[in-house]
Amino acid sequence: EDQVTQSPEALRLQEGESSSLNCSYTVSGLRGLFWYRQDPGKGPEFLFTLYSAGEEKEKERLKATLTKKESFLHITAPKPEDSATYLCAVQTITQGGSEKLVFGKGTKLTVNP
Amino acid sequence: GAGVSQSPSNKVTEKGKDVELRCDPISGHTALYWYRQSLGQGLEFLIYFQGNSAPDKSGLPSDRFSAERTGGSVSTLTIQRTQQEDSAVYLCASSPEGTTSGGYTFGSGTRLTVV
Repeated sequence: EDQVTQSPEALRLQEGESSSLNCSYTVSGLRGLFWYRQDPGKGPEFLFTLYSAGEEKEKERLKATLTKKESFLHITAPKPEDSATYLCAVQTITQGGSEKLVFGKGTKLTVNP
Repeated sequence: GAGVSQSPSNKVTEKGKDVELRCDPISGHTALYWYRQSLGQGLEFLIYFQGNSAPDKSGLPSDRFSAERTGGSVSTLTIQRTQQEDSAVYLCASSPEGTTSGGYTFGSGTRLTVV
């Protein structure tokens, strides 16, 4: 069964204190790994897609990396506005033969000023 | 609007009643997904529509759940005889064609509370 596990569940950082979020996965055949950001009361907002081990993507203070078993979301010098829940998902195939995303439970990040 | 629109944003219903949740995807997006987000759980796939093809219903948790998509655009998720375990946020997402490198665009969801 395809599974996505994110750690830690929650992370508190001081403004400017860099850190990383982890996403480990087991999937029969990785078609893509997605990172989303979710703010309270909102739907997830797309950040990155990674397809193969060694691939990296960057956006402002965020950098996502991918290995054969896990992905990291590195946050450099975070600001309070980076506070959100970060979701990781893998693309897989449903029992009906369609594509779907399997999500982890997320990491809730709080950045204090 | 430019985004995925869902209504209502909040719904409180009594156990045993039927509810309908609506999703208006981004114009031109052929793929539409429904997900459910329960407290403390990850997003759970429910159903997938692609154009005029038959939907993939493999994620629906019981036969009390059904969905339709009219004219390849607006979709309605119906839950019959609601139970307390149906309480969750129901999220709709759309994309130009299946899952693309740009990911799905999600709506803000409908928070359903069954009392």
